[in-house]
Amino acid sequence: KAGVTQTPRYLIKTRGQQVTLSCSPISGHRSVSWYQQTPGQGLQFLFEYFSETQRNKGNFPGRFSGRQFSNSRSEMNVSTLELGDSALYLCASTHLGLVGGGELFFGEGSRLTVL
Amino acid sequence: GESVGLHLPTLSVQEGDNSIINCAYSNSASDYFIWYKQESGKGPQFIIDIRSNMDKRQGQRVTVLLNKTVKHLSLQIAATQPGDSAVYFCAEGGSGLIFGQGTELSVKP
Repeated sequence: KAGVTQTPRYLIKTRGQQVTLSCSPISGHRSVSWYQQTPGQGLQFLFEYFSETQRNKGNFPGRFSGRQFSNSRSEMNVSTLELGDSALYLCASTHLGLVGGGELFFGEGSRLTVL
Repeated sequence: GESVGLHLPTLSVQEGDNSIINCAYSNSASDYFIWYKQESGKGPQFIIDIRSNMDKRQGQRVTVLLNKTVKHLSLQIAATQPGDSAVYFCAEGGSGLIFGQGTELSVKP
């Protein structure tokens, strides 16, 4: 079956702009979680959506938001971009959600560069 | 604060040897722990997980050990192969996921 798909793979924005990233989970998975990966901070959990509801949230400012649609596809949005938002943004899907544990399937990420 | 950290940033081993990658965690309330492998340009790939009520779990060529007394997690890779070269992350899970910084494993032929 198809894996987790993230779009776009690469994008460049300037400070102050906003960006929307998309994630299509594996068919049947109801949980989508998002992560930011940078060389300095490593992998950090942003939030998790399960059946269209935000279930968990990491320690990121309100500029980072997300949503999930009825078909489980998810989007995350970053407003008022800062240079420090340059990172690889990863999404992952799983059937039971992070609470249930088990295998988490990651996409290949969207690499955002903020100039 | 609560965090998951790795003891060594890099590890170099000879092909065929066993590898041991270590991880320390601080949140004793975590429900499970996971090891991921990330190759360059790719997203993390699940290797193995272990529930907090277990001490050991084995997979194909991999073993995860959990020592709750000292809050320590390790990943053992048997007969390490060049294809095992990657960055390995531990993570603790429950209501979210907290990742360690990663250890880069380099396998010498």
